[in-house]
Amino acid sequence: EVQLVESGGGLVKPGGSLRLSCAASGFTFSNYNMNWVRQAPGKGLEWVSCISAGSGYIYYADSVKGRFTISRENAKNSLYLQMSSLRAEDTAVYFCARGTSTYGLDYFDYWGQGALVTVSS
Amino acid sequence: EIVLTQSPATLSLSPGERATLSCRASQSVSSYLAWYQQKPDQAPRLLISDASIRATGIPARFSGSGSGTDFTLTISSLEPEDFAVYYCQQRNNWPLTFGGGTKVEIK
Repeated sequence: EVQLVESGGGLVKPGGSLRLSCAASGFTFSNYNMNWVRQAPGKGLEWVSCISAGSGYIYYADSVKGRFTISRENAKNSLYLQMSSLRAEDTAVYFCARGTSTYGLDYFDYWGQGALVTVSS
Repeated sequence: EIVLTQSPATLSLSPGERATLSCRASQSVSSYLAWYQQKPDQAPRLLISDASIRATGIPARFSGSGSGTDFTLTISSLEPEDFAVYYCQQRNNWPLTFGGGTKVEIK
């Protein structure tokens, strides 16, 4: 059974930093693109970032470019999102999601339960 | 950036009725469009990929159609568990984008 479990969410002050993790199991992690998708409270879904299976390419939404860094450790079946210079508008539930392709431009076939990040003073 | 516009924002229907949801893209996405279902406090679930291909385990009452800029998700006969929010998503271009969602609520 495919499982994605996010951790690391919490309350952080504007301008602060936070690192999210996603632990994957039930599939060959190193064969899949992985993504972060977020959802602000009561709002719709927003794609944040994608990393290819071998970390060869990485994409970001303009809203987080230069502030967020996606990475992965295939040996540990883990995906990360390092978030810095956080703003109130980054407040959201952050989902880890498996991509359906190997070359990017994904759909998302499995999702974690989400980690809430709240940016507030 | 490709903007996806979903309509209506809210659809009020009774169980057993047919639901027709629309997603319009600001430019062609070919057939690279997916549909997701999200229930309160849950992660989204992939229903349809490439405009019309049902994901594994998705009931046949869900169907997708369209290409280019106009897409439709049809639920042929609403079951109680189908009342939820539905999102479309394109993978034709970066950045990947979602529509704003359609809430299907019980009338």
